[in-house]
Amino acid sequence: AQKITQTQPGMFVQEKEAVTLDCTYDTSDQSYGLFWYKQPSSGEMIFLIYQGSYDEQNATEGRYSLNFQKARKSANLVISASQLGDSAMYFCAMREGNFNKFYFGSGTKLNVKP
Amino acid sequence: GAVVSQHPSRVICKSGTSVKIECRSLDFQATTMFWYRQFPKQSLMLMATSNEGSKATYEQGVEKDKFLINHASLTLSTLTVTSAHPEDSSFYICSARWKTTGKSQPQHFGDGTRLSIL
Repeated sequence: AQKITQTQPGMFVQEKEAVTLDCTYDTSDQSYGLFWYKQPSSGEMIFLIYQGSYDEQNATEGRYSLNFQKARKSANLVISASQLGDSAMYFCAMREGNFNKFYFGSGTKLNVKP
Repeated sequence: GAVVSQHPSRVICKSGTSVKIECRSLDFQATTMFWYRQFPKQSLMLMATSNEGSKATYEQGVEKDKFLINHASLTLSTLTVTSAHPEDSSFYICSARWKTTGKSQPQHFGDGTRLSIL
């Protein structure tokens, strides 16, 4: 089974609107971490936000917030007030336990329309 | 600023050439670095985990003799694509985590290397 599933290959959003990118995960570990990365067309991977499995509150970083629903095993990324520069690929990733290895989803390509 | 430096950013070379890609952690020690390969419009595929002072751990299906990894110091890991062929053309990207890590520490990525084999 896939560890990380991103079901939206592509998404469109109007500039200044909010958008939610879906991510579900599969693990039997109690301790794990969830991460979101942004990859612009230039290729670099930019870390956006982290959510720990024991964190009771949803993580927020500026315009990024993570809608963490542990029982559903989902960790959706919410981008508020979308900007043209938000157009990129977005990857959800998970680290299990204390291991260093990350599992990445297949990504969602976000296009922000002016 | 960047915490992981990857060099070169782009390589174009003839078939049969060996290509070395460097991944450096800047201002921090990384006992573990990771090498990924990414095909166009696809996710990152973990190739191997590079461990300082020991042999790399390769993922299933990745040829060890084809993709040589050397992690000689706490700040440098290298990936050498030996006798590269057109099918090795891809985007290669490395990452590292700080030696002293909390669970929230992300992997920090280099900017990637676009390898094109003619």
